[in-house]
Amino acid sequence: KAGVTQTPRYLIKTRGQQVTLSCSPISGHRSVSWYQQTPGQGLQFLFEYFSETQRNKGNFPGRFSGRQFSNSRSEMNVSTLELGDSALYLCASSLAEGTGGNEQFFGPGTRLTVL
Amino acid sequence: AQSVTQLGSHVSVSEGALVLLRCNYSSSVPPYLFWYVQYPNQGLQLLLKYTSAATLVKGINGFEAEFKKSETSFHLTKPSAHMSDAAEYFCAVSDLGGSEKLVFGKGTKLTVNP
Repeated sequence: KAGVTQTPRYLIKTRGQQVTLSCSPISGHRSVSWYQQTPGQGLQFLFEYFSETQRNKGNFPGRFSGRQFSNSRSEMNVSTLELGDSALYLCASSLAEGTGGNEQFFGPGTRLTVL
Repeated sequence: AQSVTQLGSHVSVSEGALVLLRCNYSSSVPPYLFWYVQYPNQGLQLLLKYTSAATLVKGINGFEAEFKKSETSFHLTKPSAHMSDAAEYFCAVSDLGGSEKLVFGKGTKLTVNP
């Protein structure tokens, strides 16, 4: 079974631009979550999508948005990029069964550098 | 809000020595708890998880963790460190239902010396 894939793996943008990152979950997984990882703040939850609906959202500005398609693939978008948005963006998928405690499978991440 | 504290951002051990990585959580009810490992330039991999079935949880690569409610702790141990264990380790907590959101600790970077 293929793992979680994220594209692109590396991205360089300049301040003010926007960027779209893509995540393909493991086949059959209905939940996709996004995390931002930086040396200073560590791993922070951005949002979770389940069956094309945003189920939970972290404490990030509205410049960060996402969506999920009917095949469970997800995209996240960051508009008006700032230097502080430079980070590793991780996507994770899970079966989302029951009331929680499901294993989340992480992709390798997209390394975004904002100049 | 739930939170996780990992004591020690860097831990260094000798090959063959005991590995002990500390994690304390704050939650009003016993949550789901996880340990993940991250190797350089890779995503996170699940080592083990606690979901209330048993307080001593065994994971992959010889790691285990014990859930202690009275101490609100979930420390990760391995009896004998191997060079390949060098990585960053994250403790995480999630809510009981309705979301897959994980709240992570700051991470502990493990160095294994020959």
